[in-house]
Amino acid sequence: DVKVTQSSRYLVKRTGEKVFLECVQDMDHENMFWYRQDPGLGLRLIYFSYDVKMKEKGDIPEGYSVSREKKERFSLILESASTNQTSMYLCASKASYNSPLHFGNGTRLTVT
Amino acid sequence: SQQGEEDPQALSIQEGENATMNCSYKTSINNLQWYRQNSGRGLVHLILIRSNEREKHSGRLRVTLDTSKKSSSLLITASRAADTASYFCATGHSGGSNYKLTFGKGTLLTVNP
Repeated sequence: DVKVTQSSRYLVKRTGEKVFLECVQDMDHENMFWYRQDPGLGLRLIYFSYDVKMKEKGDIPEGYSVSREKKERFSLILESASTNQTSMYLCASKASYNSPLHFGNGTRLTVT
Repeated sequence: SQQGEEDPQALSIQEGENATMNCSYKTSINNLQWYRQNSGRGLVHLILIRSNEREKHSGRLRVTLDTSKKSSSLLITASRAADTASYFCATGHSGGSNYKLTFGKGTLLTVNP
C-alpha cells in the first residue's frame, strides 16, 4: 500500500514565522501535490510537482513556495505565515497521468 | 477554480438504505474520480471512471458518467454506519496539464444506525 506521511498532524505558529510542512511518499511516485481544505471551499490546489526540482503553481499559490529536492519528499513553505493561512493542508502523490491520488492524513495548521 | 460540484451538500439516511450523490462539472474531462474523507483525515480514493466509460462498479459502489450532461453519480448500496463520511468528486481535465485534479466541495453523508 502507498504511504504518504505528513510530518505533523497539528501545528501552531505565530504570524510572520516561516513554516515548513513536510511530506514523504514511499512508492516512487513522480507526481506530488499540496492542497488546502477549508470549510465551504473544499480542496484547493496550491502547488504540484511532476518531477524532482520541477514545480507548477496551482490555483492559489500566493504566499506559498515549495521544494522538491528528492523524489520522495515535497515540502510546502509559508514564507511569512498569516492568519488567513490557518487551514488543513493535505499532501498527495500519484504515479502517472490517470492514476488516483494517495493522500496523507493532513496537517492542521493554526496561525495566531 | 472549482470544477466539480456535488449535490446534495448533506444527506442523512438509515442503515441499509441506498445513498446517491451527484456531481456536475463544466468542461471536458479525461476522467472523474470519487474520494471519501472521514472526519479529520486525508481523502481515500474510491473509484475512477474514464470519459469513454458509462458505468463502473466496485463492491457496494456504483458510479455512472454522462458526458453529454457533464454529470456523474455515486450510489452506495446497503449503507452502513461506517460509510458516514464526506464524499468528493474530482475531475481530470482534457488538454493542458492533466497532472492535477480539481475537487468539488463534497457531500456529507450520515448513516444512522
